[in-house]
Amino acid sequence: QQQVKQSPQSLIVQKGGIPIINCAYENTAFDYFPWYQQFPGKGPALLIAIRPDVSEKKEGRFTISFNKSAKQFSLHIMDSQPGDSATYFCAASGDRGSTLGRLYFGRGTQLTVWP
Amino acid sequence: DAGVTQSPTHLIKTRGQQVTLRCSPISGHKSVSWYQQVLGQGPQFIFQYYEKEERGRGNFPDRFSARQFPNYSSELNVNALLLGDSALYLCASSLVSTNEQFFGPGTRLTVL
Repeated sequence: QQQVKQSPQSLIVQKGGIPIINCAYENTAFDYFPWYQQFPGKGPALLIAIRPDVSEKKEGRFTISFNKSAKQFSLHIMDSQPGDSATYFCAASGDRGSTLGRLYFGRGTQLTVWP
Repeated sequence: DAGVTQSPTHLIKTRGQQVTLRCSPISGHKSVSWYQQVLGQGPQFIFQYYEKEERGRGNFPDRFSARQFPNYSSELNVNALLLGDSALYLCASSLVSTNEQFFGPGTRLTVL
């Protein structure tokens, strides 16, 4: 059972476009929602993360939007560049029980930014 | 500052063999987690250790085991390797008080 569902599986945008990746979850024990970027042959790198007490967080060109009632969150990449071409993973973790300290990952979105 | 380091980078084994993977966390981090990432999938949680004790275990068979040392480094051991164990094995470290987990580059295990 996939605890975090991510879409789309792949995404192609032109340079300067704003790709949007969406994730949904069911477990209300989740209270921490990070996004990771992974290049081929490398480990995932933490990009940005949000907690349910805020609806939006921005760091540079990356923005997370969070909808607690819908149990959904999304990543927006402003002014996308070819160097942003990578696989992006959303994840979720909680503070109790089986969610404590354990990241549940989505299946990933392969982003391609054309110059 | 040095990030999470893992060794070896690549490893090739045959079915039935045993393998040990190593991880050194970021300085000051006391918790280490292990994940398995099969090609084309997101990482799957295997173990989390803190202060040398197992804090959580994912849905993996008993062939998988791990331990954490007093210096907070960790080893992941897999016995009786199967073809399906071929994957990128990732180690992540974190401070105890935060969910932020920082990943190492991984060990690519190929089982023939």
